[in-house]
Amino acid sequence: QVQLQESGPGLVKPSETLSLTCTVSGGSVSSSSYPWSWIRQPPGKGLEWIGYIYSSGSTNYNPSLKSRVTISVDTSKNQFSLKLTSVTAADTAVYYCARYFDYWGQGILVTVSS
Amino acid sequence: EIVLTQSPGTLSLSPGERATLSCRASQSVSSSSLAWYQQKPGQAPRLLIYGASSRATGIPDRFSGSGSGTDFTLTISRLEPEDFALYYCQHYAPSPSITFGQGTRLEVK
Repeated sequence: QVQLQESGPGLVKPSETLSLTCTVSGGSVSSSSYPWSWIRQPPGKGLEWIGYIYSSGSTNYNPSLKSRVTISVDTSKNQFSLKLTSVTAADTAVYYCARYFDYWGQGILVTVSS
Repeated sequence: EIVLTQSPGTLSLSPGERATLSCRASQSVSSSSLAWYQQKPGQAPRLLIYGASSRATGIPDRFSGSGSGTDFTLTISRLEPEDFALYYCQHYAPSPSITFGQGTRLEVK
């Protein structure tokens, strides 16, 4: 059973960079044919796909966030990561990592505030 | 961008009743790229249906999906107490056109 766990700061200041890591257990990021995803959900609102990465390093991003997003993978640590630059209050959300869209982490709340 | 519109926004039903949730796409999408999720408060979404009609692993057979083109439906044949939750549809391929509907809240009448 694949399990995912998000980690990172729960509070980020406006204009700074949000950085999160997803640690995968029960499966390998390097051997999966599925991409590894990041999705977010502002409090009380719906789901927004951020992007995903294959073990090869190939990425696809939501066009609305593409200029600010970088997703990377570290196969040696069985992890993948999200960086979102120049954050504002609108980036406050629960951030989920997932294997494509079938296995999800529990989510981590990131608040953007000074 | 493909926009998914779910209806109704809120559905009030009783346990044992049949639930029918709708998802309409702004343009025709491949049935192989339409999914449904269930989300309960404080939890991550749970994949129910992929490819418009295939149940994900461990999903009870009271959940079924159907549809094609622009109109898709999630049906719960007989509601159990644990089925009252938020439901989202999603178009998941090809990227970057991955979008979610705004959700339908299924509440106890």
